[in-house]
Amino acid sequence: AQSVTQLDSQVPVFEEAPVELRCNYSSSVSVYLFWYVQYPNQGLQLLLKYLSGSTLVKGINGFEAEFNKSQTSFHLRKPSVHISDTAEYFCAVSDTPQGGSEKLVFGKGTKLTVNP
Amino acid sequence: GAGVSQSPRYKVAKRGQDVALRCDPISGHVSLFWYQQALGQGPEFLTYFQNEAQLDKSGLPSDRFFAERPEGSVSTLKIQRTQQEDSAVYLCASSLALTGGEQFFGPGTRLTVL
Repeated sequence: AQSVTQLDSQVPVFEEAPVELRCNYSSSVSVYLFWYVQYPNQGLQLLLKYLSGSTLVKGINGFEAEFNKSQTSFHLRKPSVHISDTAEYFCAVSDTPQGGSEKLVFGKGTKLTVNP
Repeated sequence: GAGVSQSPRYKVAKRGQDVALRCDPISGHVSLFWYQQALGQGPEFLTYFQNEAQLDKSGLPSDRFFAERPEGSVSTLKIQRTQQEDSAVYLCASSLALTGGEQFFGPGTRLTVL
């Protein structure tokens, strides 16, 4: 069975500082990887996804993530955060078409708080 | 165009009542998913439709939970005889592609069972 571990439940940072949100997954099959952001009282919005190809993926709002198969990681990074980046971030995994279901398996989330 | 919409946005039910939660996916989206998000947790998969066919219901926690999508568009998640542990946000998502497609999420329905 697949699982996703987000190592940090809360990450406080100062505005304009860099940030890394960590994500590790376990799966016995090939996977797709996703990062979603959730603002208060809103649904989830896709930041970026890895399906295949280049292991460095760029997303919206200046975020990027790197897929590392040997370490089974997909860490999210941003070089300089803004107050508006304050939100909860979820890492998720799904099977590739050959692997089975398209359902997403989510981590427990990391609450990013950007302070002035 | 309009995104995924869900109604009601908030629902308060007394324990033992039945509830029905509605999801309107993005027009033309083939796949539809339901997730349950407990307070402070990530969303957890409940069930998946491809058009009107329910292909995976492995995440439904009990036989009190039932979902349908009779015409391959709007979906309803029904919970019978609600219990306090059913209190959560129920998220609906739809996607266009059959595989690897981005899932677009609705705002969710927050269910509180008293």
